[in-house]
Amino acid sequence: DIQMTQSPSSVSASVGDRVTITCRASQSVITWLAWYQQSPGKPPKLLIYSASTLHTGVPSRFSASGSGTDFSLTISSLQPEDSATYYCQQANTFPYTFGQGTRLEI
Amino acid sequence: EVHLVESGGGQVKPGESLRLSCAGSGFDFNLYTMNWVRQAPGKGLEWVSSISSNSNYIYYADSVKSRFTISRDNARNSMYLQMDSLRAEDTAVYFCVKDVVRGVIGSFGSWGQGIPVTVSS
Repeated sequence: DIQMTQSPSSVSASVGDRVTITCRASQSVITWLAWYQQSPGKPPKLLIYSASTLHTGVPSRFSASGSGTDFSLTISSLQPEDSATYYCQQANTFPYTFGQGTRLEI
Repeated sequence: EVHLVESGGGQVKPGESLRLSCAGSGFDFNLYTMNWVRQAPGKGLEWVSSISSNSNYIYYADSVKSRFTISRDNARNSMYLQMDSLRAEDTAVYFCVKDVVRGVIGSFGSWGQGIPVTVSS
């Protein structure tokens, strides 16, 4: 199975800050990589797919890049509503696997 | 607007069975791969199973293989997860999930609200 490792596990930042979360795959997933945001008690929301494609309706302060094994998600100007847990997920090979999550506190 | 509604969850004892259902609306259900993803209490996300649009391709996580069976009925815009020989470690919220777009399989664009399953003696 492909292991997905996110860092950091948690981060605290202020409104207006720029934050980057990284995700590393144990083997290449090409660009079959998605990012999700989950608030407590809610289902996850897709932010990014195919490593860098912004999902419909997602604010442009979210961006992502990467290919192969190394990926990153950047939030350019943090807003209070960005407080959530963020997950990366590889969709290159079954079984699909998620990172352990990064808790972002604003 | 895409709408996914899960049903059929509840509390059962180890070794018992449950059947989850997912009703989809607001999109061409018969054209999309559908998936189940679960989340144990306080834990991260775990992919469980996927079924292609015509049911030709089915995949399972090792943790549920041979115990869970995914299926779909495109005429009813519904997907199912038959869960047998349930274990305590199957306790989780189960999400019905739709791929984001056709051709981008495995990126989960729409999620149901989730249905809790508790396995406890």
